[in-house]
This record gives sequence, C-alpha cells and structure tokens, in this order.
Amino acid sequence: AQKITQTQPGMFVQEKEAVTLDCTYDTSDPSYGLFWYKQPSSGEMIFLIYQGSYDQQNATEGRYSLNFQKARKSANLVISASQLGDSAMYFCAMREPSNTGKLIFGQGTTLQVKP
Amino acid sequence: DSGVTQTPKHLITATGQRVTLRCSPRSGDLSVYWYQQSLDQGLQFLIQYYNGEERAKGNILERFSAQQFPDLHSELNLSSLELGDSALYFCASSVDVLTEAFFGQGTRLTVV
Repeated sequence: AQKITQTQPGMFVQEKEAVTLDCTYDTSDPSYGLFWYKQPSSGEMIFLIYQGSYDQQNATEGRYSLNFQKARKSANLVISASQLGDSAMYFCAMREPSNTGKLIFGQGTTLQVKP
Repeated sequence: DSGVTQTPKHLITATGQRVTLRCSPRSGDLSVYWYQQSLDQGLQFLIQYYNGEERAKGNILERFSAQQFPDLHSELNLSSLELGDSALYFCASSVDVLTEAFFGQGTRLTVV
C-alpha cells in the first residue's frame, strides 16, 4: 500500500535561512505524483509544488524547491530565505497511481520561523 | 484565494443531528474531493466525484454521503453525528485527476 512518512513533527529555522522538510514515500507503482501543501494557523490548505515521478528535473516554484531522489524514495521540500509568514504546518502528499487523483497525506511538519 | 468555496466555515451541532456541507469548485474543474482532517486521524480522503459521477471512495462512514450536481457543486451530508465526527472538512477540486488539487478553506464541524 502507498504510504507517506514525515518524520519531523516540528522544526525551527531562523529568518532568512533555508530549511529542508523531509518526506519519504512508499509505492510499487512507477507512475505517481508528489505534492507539498502548506496549512497556516488559519486552516486553509495551500498548494505549493508538484513533482511527477517521470520528471527529470527537480520542481521549483519561487522560494520552494523539491529535492526528488527517486532511488531513495524521498521528496524533501526546501524553502529558501525563510520568512515569518512561512510558519505553518507542511504536508507532503502522494497521488495514488490510479485514475482518481486521490491524495495520501503524511502527518505533517510544523515549521516555526524565528525572527 | 484558491477559488474553491466552502460553506459554512463553522458549524456547531448536537449529537444525532444531520448537517450538509457545501462546496463550489474552481471554475472549469470537473473533479471534486472531500477530505476530513482530525487530530487523531490526520488528513483522510473521503470521496471523489468527477463530472457528476462518483469516482473513488475512501474512509467514508456509511452515515456520510455526498453528491455532485450538474453545475458541479458538491455537498457532503453527515448524519447521526457523533462527537468523533468533529473535524475540519475540506473540499478540493482539480481540472482532472492528473493535475494538482486546490483546497477550499474548510468547514470546521464541532459536534457537542
């Protein structure tokens, strides 16, 4: 069965520094998608970045980049130049290799940016 | 703003009652998903509709049901509510099953 693991319940980072949030996944299917979402204290879920299993290059979106290591089954999120507004819960998710688009989520990592 | 609208934002109701949560997907999105977020279970997929038809079912209780209407908005019906149903319920939508899903702000349900 597909599974997403986020081993860091909480992380701290100094403002303006970079931070890496870990995510490992487990699937036996060669075709899948990996996503990161941000959930601020207000509760909404904000899409950040997507990586397809066949994508040759790591995905980047502004200050967000995804460090995709297929052999290690990891999809870590890197946030560069952290800002106070980055303080939130971050979820890694995998799209099941089916025709549904259903997402399986990890348990999340709480990131706190210190001024 | 994701473009996905959920109403109401907050709902407080008593055990045994029935509630309906509403979701309007982004314009052009055919696929609608419902997720439940609770402290003990995390984010769990409930059900998905695509262009009016049920496409996938997850950990959805028999007391819960959903539908997607011809105008593509969706409703999640929760009945015989229990204290454990208290959670944040998200609706998400996507153009199709291969593209990223955008989430609404959620409906926070409190069962007392």
